[in-house]
Amino acid sequence: DAGVIQSPRHEVTEMGQEVTLRCKPISGHDYLFWYRQTMMRGLELLIYFNNNVPIDDSGMPEDRFSAKMPNASFSTLKIQPSEPRDSAVYFCASSSGLAGGGTGELFFGEGSRLTVL
Amino acid sequence: AQTVTQSQPEMSVQEAETVTLSCTYDTSESDYYLFWYKQPPSRQMILVIRQEAYKQQNATENRFSVNFQKAAKSFSLKISDSQLGDAAMYFCAYRRVDGNNRKLIWGLGTSLAVNP
Repeated sequence: DAGVIQSPRHEVTEMGQEVTLRCKPISGHDYLFWYRQTMMRGLELLIYFNNNVPIDDSGMPEDRFSAKMPNASFSTLKIQPSEPRDSAVYFCASSSGLAGGGTGELFFGEGSRLTVL
Repeated sequence: AQTVTQSQPEMSVQEAETVTLSCTYDTSESDYYLFWYKQPPSRQMILVIRQEAYKQQNATENRFSVNFQKAAKSFSLKISDSQLGDAAMYFCAYRRVDGNNRKLIWGLGTSLAVNP
């Protein structure tokens, strides 16, 4: 399997612009997670889906952030409008309920590094 | 609320030596999962080892092993025969055993340097 695929790998944009990050989970995985990583706050869970349905979005910072999962093989994280404090690495991860004997091991993508000027 | 603490922001080890990374957690649950993930400079997080709390036996994966002390709520990672490729950030994580709750609680990480 190709693993979790994220795009773009790097994005540089100006404040106020819309940013869309994309993720293709591992085929057959029924959970998808969006994380944000910064030096100051470490890894933060933004939102996760189960069978394409958002289960917990309590980590989404504010209304400027939105995430969708229109089907089992694709998810987007959108920031509109973007701000400099959104600069971070955004990770997508997927998991199967049965992975790791039921522990739900996460498989991560390579991340999207976002810089908002 | 559950928390995970990694008290060593940075560690270093000589190649071929053994190093232990510390992790403590706080929970009132009796059943849960614990994980160590590795994040090399390439950024991609990779699972190193997992432990189910109901299992008394410490998990082992080749050169990686854990010392799981449930009463002390401690979950340290031992890396034996350290290799240059082991240099990375290491994150400890906790998850409740709960059918639909898949949130991991993460520590802030330990940066491990391996000296040749």
